[in-house]
Amino acid sequence: SQELEQSPQSLIVQEGKNLTINCTSSKTLYGLYWYKQKYGEGLIFLMMLQKGGEEKSHEKITAKLDEKKQQSSLHITASQPSHAGIYLCGADWNQGGKLIFGQGTELSVKP
Amino acid sequence: NAGVMQNPRHLVRRRGQEARLRCSPMKGHSHVYWYRQLPEEGLKFMVYLQKENIIDESGMPKERFSAEFPKEGPSILRIQQVVRGDSAAYFCASSPRTSSSYNEQFFGPGTRLTVL
Repeated sequence: SQELEQSPQSLIVQEGKNLTINCTSSKTLYGLYWYKQKYGEGLIFLMMLQKGGEEKSHEKITAKLDEKKQQSSLHITASQPSHAGIYLCGADWNQGGKLIFGQGTELSVKP
Repeated sequence: NAGVMQNPRHLVRRRGQEARLRCSPMKGHSHVYWYRQLPEEGLKFMVYLQKENIIDESGMPKERFSAEFPKEGPSILRIQQVVRGDSAAYFCASSPRTSSSYNEQFFGPGTRLTVL
């Protein structure tokens, strides 16, 4: 069974629109990481969340972790074509080092 | 400050040959992780190494795959007798882990292995 579920799997939005990507864990997280991947390239670190209720923002991207530390959301405000790519959430469940990743959300932004 | 470096970026091997993938972590990072991204699949953890030690190899296939991170030089992921199913993108990440609560992993550009 998939321990980390991302939704939606793909998303097409008009430039300027807001959007949200969700990541749900089957168990309490120690840390939750958001990355962006351009097709055929490596992963770019976006944000890391550790505390229940934590919220972080960078430019037009905001990530939140719920109080129970089992669900995170990534919100993009006023999307731009440069936001297009695959967004991956990664879970660290026991401070063990390895990250378990969701299946990814492919975002397309139409000009 | 250079990021995580991987080479080669693209590697083509014939079935039965060996593949060696290299990863140089960011300066000051002593922890290295290898992940594999198969076509149509997600990113899967393979192995976690610290200098000269394998910390967690729970994601490594039991045969043909090995990894090392020597005291000097890059980390190496070695695949012996490659098969077509090994074709994938292999990513390396590094982290400083200077405290027990810090595990921010920075990824390299990946090595895309194609087995003919």
